[in-house]
Amino acid sequence: NAGVMQNPRHLVRRRGQEARLRCSPMKGHSHVYWYRQLPEEGLKFMVYLQKENIIDESGMPKERFSAEFPKEGPSILRIQQVVRGDSAAYFCASSPNRVLFSLYEQYFGPGTRLTVT
Amino acid sequence: DAKTTQPPSMDCAEGRAANLPCNHSTISGNEYVYWYRQIHSQGPQYIIHGLKNNETNEMASLIITEDRKSSTLILPHATLRDTAVYYCIVRVDSGGSNYKLTFGKGTLLTVNP
Repeated sequence: NAGVMQNPRHLVRRRGQEARLRCSPMKGHSHVYWYRQLPEEGLKFMVYLQKENIIDESGMPKERFSAEFPKEGPSILRIQQVVRGDSAAYFCASSPNRVLFSLYEQYFGPGTRLTVT
Repeated sequence: DAKTTQPPSMDCAEGRAANLPCNHSTISGNEYVYWYRQIHSQGPQYIIHGLKNNETNEMASLIITEDRKSSTLILPHATLRDTAVYYCIVRVDSGGSNYKLTFGKGTLLTVNP
């Protein structure tokens, strides 16, 4: 999927544990987006980040979920005290600098499948 | 973003053209039509997009009706590897929150040998 890397690909957590999902965008991309796909559902937008900034987190649940995209390193989606309802596929996408591209494509990673037992 | 309506599933014979319809009757003048697909257990893949003119690339063709209320994605020679869920999305070009891709349930295209 065009160079966006996500790890781990599969993650199993027990209820109450923390889950950390990582996303490395394509080379040269400075925008990262996280989406969640519940079983048998379409992808839902969660959050949009640029380096060191959260631009839009309107799709994030109000509690337990957080995201960051530090100056160095991958973007992290963190879920604290996971519950069974958090079981889903989490996809990261990246795009190039928005200023230069009025229509920019989002390139998706392979996803992380989180299973909460 | 305008709401889209797609059939839940379609079948196509290998080597034949696959024509996937999408209705977007409430589309606004500044909204583009995008198509993505998601092969099982993979991330979505961009296919094509257009505003009002028909578009073609190495993957597919996009036919948009004159009133822009519907469109058809055409895979000219479907292969087994084209079996996937195809999503039709409409969104504005720039401004606001156009970066949000809103995925519906899409159309599951099954290409049969």
